[in-house]
Amino acid sequence: DAKTTQPPSMDCAEGRAANLPCNHSTISGNEYVYWYRQIHSQGPQYIIHGLKNNETNEMASLIITEDRKSSTLILPHATLRDTAVYYCIVRVESGGSNYKLTFGKGTLLTVNP
Amino acid sequence: GAVVSQHPSWVICKSGTSVKIECRSLDFQATTMFWYRQFPKQSLMLMATSNEGSKATYEQGVEKDKFLINHASLTLSTLTVTSAHPEDSSFYICSARSSGGGTEAFFGQGTRLTVV
Repeated sequence: DAKTTQPPSMDCAEGRAANLPCNHSTISGNEYVYWYRQIHSQGPQYIIHGLKNNETNEMASLIITEDRKSSTLILPHATLRDTAVYYCIVRVESGGSNYKLTFGKGTLLTVNP
Repeated sequence: GAVVSQHPSWVICKSGTSVKIECRSLDFQATTMFWYRQFPKQSLMLMATSNEGSKATYEQGVEKDKFLINHASLTLSTLTVTSAHPEDSSFYICSARSSGGGTEAFFGQGTRLTVV
């Protein structure tokens, strides 16, 4: 299973872009990169995922390096409500079409006013 | 995104009693649901994978007789903590993936269990 490495914490000023890095140097060719976040005392929230191309949705952008060994989640205009623990996860196959998500420690992003 | 609902949001029970937590996918069918446990200031730990119509698959170190999982329909999985003890106090979270496609999993809001 590919492991991920994230900084334990980051700070960002409100209104600025938040760039959260993730290292996944052992990722396999058919493994996706997923990003979730968890606001305190809530269940995780899906943000975005990608395989090799950069992806963008209404919440964030995901930039994956060409060698796929690292990625960056970008919150273009961070707000105080974006304060959360952000998890970078590589999809693990578990029993055919089923899969499970293995959570690391994530990055605590604190958005400051 | 799809909605996964857990009930109850929090529960306090006496030591030795059993507690049932429900996880429902409200607007999609889920062949597979996952149960996680999270202790304070720690990450989510996968406990088991719940498969509709078949036995759950438990992670190493998780007692299947203590944490009973039932996935009787495509929209409901239940986790029963049997003979609960204070050390079982934790935040329990379920997630579900749509049977109809899509690779992302959606999570419930979690259940805070306190055993006294």
